[in-house]
Amino acid sequence: GIQVEQSPPDLILQEGANSTLRCNFSDSVNNLQWFHQNPWGQLINLFYIPSGTKQNGRLSATTVATERYSLLYISSSQTTDSGVYFCAVENNNRDDKIIFGKGTRLHILP
Amino acid sequence: DSGVTQTPKHLITATGQRVTLRCSPRSGDLSVYWYQQSLDQGLQFLIQYYNGEERAKGNILERFSAQQFPDLHSELNLSSLELGDSALYFCASSGSGGELFFGEGSRLTVL
Repeated sequence: GIQVEQSPPDLILQEGANSTLRCNFSDSVNNLQWFHQNPWGQLINLFYIPSGTKQNGRLSATTVATERYSLLYISSSQTTDSGVYFCAVENNNRDDKIIFGKGTRLHILP
Repeated sequence: DSGVTQTPKHLITATGQRVTLRCSPRSGDLSVYWYQQSLDQGLQFLIQYYNGEERAKGNILERFSAQQFPDLHSELNLSSLELGDSALYFCASSGSGGELFFGEGSRLTVL
């Protein structure tokens, strides 16, 4: 099945810093999503981005489907950005499985 | 609020017991997904239903089963529980666009 790798696995930053999280996938995909799991365990949709670039406030994402990767940018980090960021993909073979990467754990220091 | 409702939010039970987790998808969503998240782990895909039919299966144990009912709500049944089954169980739903929306999860503790 499709493999999803996220990097880095862990990231500790000072408040106000910028960061880039990466998601690589091993096969062509129909869709790709980014989620934030907050410290209380809730999974929040960030972007639905099978290709192209989207922006939402301090966050933006870019997916280059032909090169099988996606990037999540977080600018001017705040402590509320702490948590785990997951990338999830649906394989192009339409087996309907949406597979998650292992996540990047982000800790923003005040 | 994602619109996906999961009950119960917390459940504590003993080894060998059976529990049922319930999920109501967002209004209009036909697809329901179940995921398991063990402590400090990623989300493991268990099973997906579409309009009452099983659509895809992941690494779901034989002790676990699920179904989606005509009103589109879904139940995940976990039986002969073991300590290792302690985890957060998430339900998600999606519509025609494919975007997943998650419930708040059911935290299962097996003692």
